[in-house]
Amino acid sequence: AQTVTQSQPEMSVQEAETVTLSCTYDTSESDYYLFWYKQPPSRQMILVIRQEAYKQQNATENRFSVNFQKAAKSFSLKISDSQLGDAAMYFCASPLISNFGNEKLTFGTGTRLTIIP
Amino acid sequence: KAGVTQTPRYLIKTRGQQVTLSCSPISGHRSVSWYQQTPGQGLQFLFEYFSETQRNKGNFPGRFSGRQFSNSRSEMNVSTLELGDSALYLCASSLPGGANTGELFFGEGSRLTVL
Repeated sequence: AQTVTQSQPEMSVQEAETVTLSCTYDTSESDYYLFWYKQPPSRQMILVIRQEAYKQQNATENRFSVNFQKAAKSFSLKISDSQLGDAAMYFCASPLISNFGNEKLTFGTGTRLTIIP
Repeated sequence: KAGVTQTPRYLIKTRGQQVTLSCSPISGHRSVSWYQQTPGQGLQFLFEYFSETQRNKGNFPGRFSGRQFSNSRSEMNVSTLELGDSALYLCASSLPGGANTGELFFGEGSRLTVL
């Protein structure tokens, strides 16, 4: 089965510190995208960062970076210099299937991140 | 550019009733997909429409249905509501291939409570 798993239901971090959220997935595809989405309380889900599986270099977007381990099917999100506005549910997601007509994302169960002032 | 708009934002229904939720995608986006979000099951894919055709369907009973209009606006309908249908229903729009590449834009959701 093609699945995305987040093993940390909740995480907390001190403001300005670094936190890493974990995600593992299972797919038989050789090329695919992986995403981290952020859902702040009562606000829209937005894309934080994405990684294409065939690219060996880990993606980075300002304070957000990923540690992509393709062989281990692991895709963790690192948030550096945590800010109060980073408090949200974070979802790991992937289409898991690379064919163009598959407009469907499979999500992990989410990690609720709390920022401690 | 206006974002994805979902209406209504909140609604309360009783068991056995039906409900219709609406989604207006970002201008130019022809793909609209729907997800159900619950604390127990997380985010589950319902269906996806492109050019008024349902291209993908998740594992939900036939009580869940949808459609897309020629202007790309989409509606989903849930008939014979059950308590377990209480959830946040998210709509997302994209250009073709958007779900695969991360260019998926979500609305704020419609929160349905079934009593």
